[in-house]
Amino acid sequence: GQSLEQPSEVTAVEGAIVQINCTYQTSGFYGLSWYQQHDGGAPTFLSYNALDGLEETGRFSSFLSRSDSYGYLLLQELQMKDSASYFCAVRDRANFNKFYFGSGTKLNVKP
Amino acid sequence: DGGITQSPKYLFRKEGQNVTLSCEQNLNHDAMYWYRQDPGQGLRLIYYSQIVNDFQKGDIAEGYSVSREKKESFPLTVTSAQKNPTAFYLCASSGDKDYEQYFGPGTRLTVT
Repeated sequence: GQSLEQPSEVTAVEGAIVQINCTYQTSGFYGLSWYQQHDGGAPTFLSYNALDGLEETGRFSSFLSRSDSYGYLLLQELQMKDSASYFCAVRDRANFNKFYFGSGTKLNVKP
Repeated sequence: DGGITQSPKYLFRKEGQNVTLSCEQNLNHDAMYWYRQDPGQGLRLIYYSQIVNDFQKGDIAEGYSVSREKKESFPLTVTSAQKNPTAFYLCASSGDKDYEQYFGPGTRLTVT
């Protein structure tokens, strides 16, 4: 099976950097994804790590270490609009169309 | 504009009634998915379809049914056998970048 753990809530100030961690226990997976979801809205894709290392997309970066069963999402130059929930998800190795999501981290950005 | 539409946004039903949630996409994506989200929780996979006329159960398929007669459409029926149907239901699709899922706006179903 697949199990992903994230902190339930993180608070940071505007302009700061915040890291949202995701630790997992899996029976094998292809890659780690990150999604953003504003309250009541649809999740939107942020990034995907198929390989170990850092992927950078503008203010957002994502990191994966398979040996440590760990990944994180790094948000830089925080803006108020970044206040949302962030989910990590793994893609199952046995069936690459199955995705398992963590329970999400609610990020509160304060002025 | 290409995207995924779900209707209705809010749905209210009495216990014991079946209800069908609509999901349509014009992204020309082969794969489509249904997820359920409960308050403060992540997304749980109900059903997925990789191609027309084929679909597979996810982890919480009991009490749900789907069909995939057209590439663009993947309706979900919540049957009276689903014990706790009240939830936020999200439909998604993926294309060539099959790791990237595009989500619809969701349907919030309340059953009383």
